[in-house]
Amino acid sequence: GENVEQHPSTLSVQEGDSAVIKCTYSDSASNYFPWYKQELGKRPQLIIDIRSNVGEKKDQRIAVTLNKTAKHFSLHITETQPEDSAVYFCAASMGGGSEKLVFGKGTKLTVNP
Amino acid sequence: ETGVTQSPTHLIKTRGQQVTLRCSSQSGHNTVSWYQQALGQGPQFIFQYYREEENGRGNFPPRFSGLQFPNYSSELNVNALELDDSALYLCASSLEAGEQFFGPGTRLTVL
Repeated sequence: GENVEQHPSTLSVQEGDSAVIKCTYSDSASNYFPWYKQELGKRPQLIIDIRSNVGEKKDQRIAVTLNKTAKHFSLHITETQPEDSAVYFCAASMGGGSEKLVFGKGTKLTVNP
Repeated sequence: ETGVTQSPTHLIKTRGQQVTLRCSSQSGHNTVSWYQQALGQGPQFIFQYYREEENGRGNFPPRFSGLQFPNYSSELNVNALELDDSALYLCASSLEAGEQFFGPGTRLTVL
């Protein structure tokens, strides 16, 4: 079945450093790849997404890259701040549609001041 | 914050009981997806409703069922509750193939 692997499960960085989270997916028909940030006790919030016709997308300090051949995509956060501390989830669409998402298990990011 | 709301926020049930969770989608959205999030895990897709019809289902047994109403709000029903059903239940609304926006979730505890 569809599967999304996410690494690392925990990541600790110093304020100002960069953070990179990597995901691989199994369904070659997947064409939509969102990233969500979830703070403790809160709902997942969409922070950036990318579709399969694009290799890279950037929004201020956040960027996502996609390699469809290798079936992996990555989240890059530059100049990290303590408020970036949260659990980050990658997801991939199932079966070519963008509504049905398979999520990774999450990465707990801690940014130390 | 998104315009997606869920009720109730917390719920405690005992094994064997039935539960109904509710979700109001964001204005203009016609698709609602339901997810189960166990502690420390990513959300798992339960099913999706598009224009009142089920539009895909994840690996969940038939005792998980749902509805979508003409105003695109939705319900998730779980029968014969088991201890492993304890989780955060999230709904997400979208406009067809667009971005999914999550509600705050319902925390279900089964004793």
